[in-house]
Amino acid sequence: GEEVAQTPKHLVRGEGQKAKLYCAPIKGHSYVFWYQQVLKNEFKFLISFQNENVFDETGMPKERFSAKCLPNSPCSLEIQATKLEDSAVYFCASSQASGGDQPQHFGDGTRLSIL
Amino acid sequence: QKEVEQNSGPLSVPEGAIASLNCTYSDRGSQSFFWYRQYSGKSPELIMFIYSNGDKEDGRFTAQLNKASQYVSLLIRDSQPSDSATYLCAVSGSARQLTFGSGTQLTVLP
Repeated sequence: GEEVAQTPKHLVRGEGQKAKLYCAPIKGHSYVFWYQQVLKNEFKFLISFQNENVFDETGMPKERFSAKCLPNSPCSLEIQATKLEDSAVYFCASSQASGGDQPQHFGDGTRLSIL
Repeated sequence: QKEVEQNSGPLSVPEGAIASLNCTYSDRGSQSFFWYRQYSGKSPELIMFIYSNGDKEDGRFTAQLNKASQYVSLLIRDSQPSDSATYLCAVSGSARQLTFGSGTQLTVLP
């Protein structure tokens, strides 16, 4: 598609439950990025993929967070045993591969609320 | 020191004026520089990107980059009330991930 599609828009989970978020990148984009926006403007990079391969996972809290980008499926970000501090908006972005560092285009985000 | 610093604002300008938004970054290896606009409750929207020193103009927007001073700016000419939003400066390097500033909240007064 022409837009980054994220689902669901809003996800509510009790503390300790699992949360799974999905992202379909723009067709033809090879790179997928996940960011966490806590409070109003603080963005934190989590992980990036080049096609189905992890490109950079330096931002991932590995003990509870995992992510995948499988062929012919939306990418996913899964949080096990959620904590109150995981409440945030999770944005997915995608970019093209060619011509150097291409701009990233963002989806509408998934607002995760942990109760 | 944060990696990407922006004027925290808020910044208010009258309609029709020029709004000037500034950003500095600490990593000299940074290669690409982006300005995103984010309306409250919405996703970041790409406004401008710049890779080389100098100015880049697109309509009412001009991005300026000075790598020696590690400084990026965004000028918005003929500001409109619809330009009222938070403007995010973002920087990337070889790892491609974006490092964002905290954003500057701009209000254009009718």
